Amino acid sequence: DGGITQSPKYLFRKEGQNVTLSCEQNLNHDAMYWYRQDPGQGLRLIYYSQIVNDFQKGDIAEGYSVSREKKESFPLTVTSAQKNPTAFYLCASQTGNNEQFFGPGTRLTVL
Amino acid sequence: AQKITQTQPGMFVQEKEAVTLDCTYDTSDPSYGLFWYKQPSSGEMIFLIYQGSYDQQNATEGRYSLNFQKARKSANLVISASQLGDSAMYFCAMRGLGIYNQGGKLIFGQGTELSVKP
Repeated sequence: DGGITQSPKYLFRKEGQNVTLSCEQNLNHDAMYWYRQDPGQGLRLIYYSQIVNDFQKGDIAEGYSVSREKKESFPLTVTSAQKNPTAFYLCASQTGNNEQFFGPGTRLTVL
Repeated sequence: AQKITQTQPGMFVQEKEAVTLDCTYDTSDPSYGLFWYKQPSSGEMIFLIYQGSYDQQNATEGRYSLNFQKARKSANLVISASQLGDSAMYFCAMRGLGIYNQGGKLIFGQGTELSVKP
């Protein structure tokens, strides 16, 4: 089946550690996105990539890094510089001008 | 700057009745798209309906329709014949189109939690 997969579903991190969230899509979409969602809030854009080997900062990029070495993959690293990383992280991909398809999300908790 | 406002933090509706979820937006882009997503408790975002700013008719998708009033900058979602499975968070979102696309970035509202009563 075509779609977007994110792993892991739940992730626990100690303070000071970097962690990487996986996002893979087999939809052959050029554009991919990472959003952050805090409880009771809408989604905010962290990073996006419109093409392989290129990515742009979104509204809340500080403390995060990404790479886009393959069209199918857009991993997000939450670094120790991110002051409040506990949140729900959603990856999305898009082709054309309309619908963004979302993955199932990763819930990150800092212990 | 673009902004989406959803003024209803929570809504209740009786099963089989219709419900309207409010969404107002602000943008200076002449060409834009409006989206509604459903987020069940499991967390995934499910696309429901899309309306382009130049579309002459209101969008409909099954039990979902979008009441688009461009002059008032509103894009309300109407769910007809509510079902228990409709209980979820609903998000209104917006994006510029064409040269205003900004990489496809979506701007989201705060969401409305809908509860359907049996």
